[in-house]
Amino acid sequence: DAGITQSPRHKVTETGTPVTLRCHQTENHRYMYWYRQDPGHGLRLIHYSYGVKDTDKGEVSDGYSVSRSKTEDFLLTLESATSSQTSVYFCAISESLTSLENEQFFGPGTRLTVL
Amino acid sequence: KQEVTQIPAALSVPEGENLVLNCSFTDSAIYNLQWFRQDPGKGLTSLLLIQSSQREQTSGRLNASLDKSSGRSTLYIAASQPGDSATYLCAVRRGGGGNKLTFGTGTQLKVEL
Repeated sequence: DAGITQSPRHKVTETGTPVTLRCHQTENHRYMYWYRQDPGHGLRLIHYSYGVKDTDKGEVSDGYSVSRSKTEDFLLTLESATSSQTSVYFCAISESLTSLENEQFFGPGTRLTVL
Repeated sequence: KQEVTQIPAALSVPEGENLVLNCSFTDSAIYNLQWFRQDPGKGLTSLLLIQSSQREQTSGRLNASLDKSSGRSTLYIAASQPGDSATYLCAVRRGGGGNKLTFGTGTQLKVEL
């Protein structure tokens, strides 16, 4: 298994509070991604990073921000959590320099509940 | 906008049966297609990746095919086992940078004894 960890694994918070989720990888992969998974919608890309301090928006980026100050860490921040952000969040990684450059590997997920 | 559909949404088969899961996509301009497995409460495990220039990929009892022109992929599972019970997801990589994937909503498979 790819070395990807996510923290926390479970979190319950209240509407309006800031929340930060962390993704940590030990594979030295260039690309990192944040997805959310909701019933009926599948996985949808929130933000992704193509290098340290290089990030871009995905299809559902409103209400989320990200930061990547080191290759191994990718943070997802909900500035002011809303109930619509209750979801399971997955981090993924991929490497761009090999024949399997496009294969994405996923972390175990973080279940976030916003009350 | 790329849309990915997986039919059926759920499938139940007896152990030992060969089965096919379907994935269709609306925009044939894809770079590759990836099949994943997801166990309840777990992350995704990559099963097979097919580049757009390939027709199929095999790994053990799994065989994935790709017909890019018709916007279809199938995942064939031979001699199914109870341990194959999981949700199977397909995802297509769109053209352009970033390796961004568009996912289907999955097929939930149950293999019964």
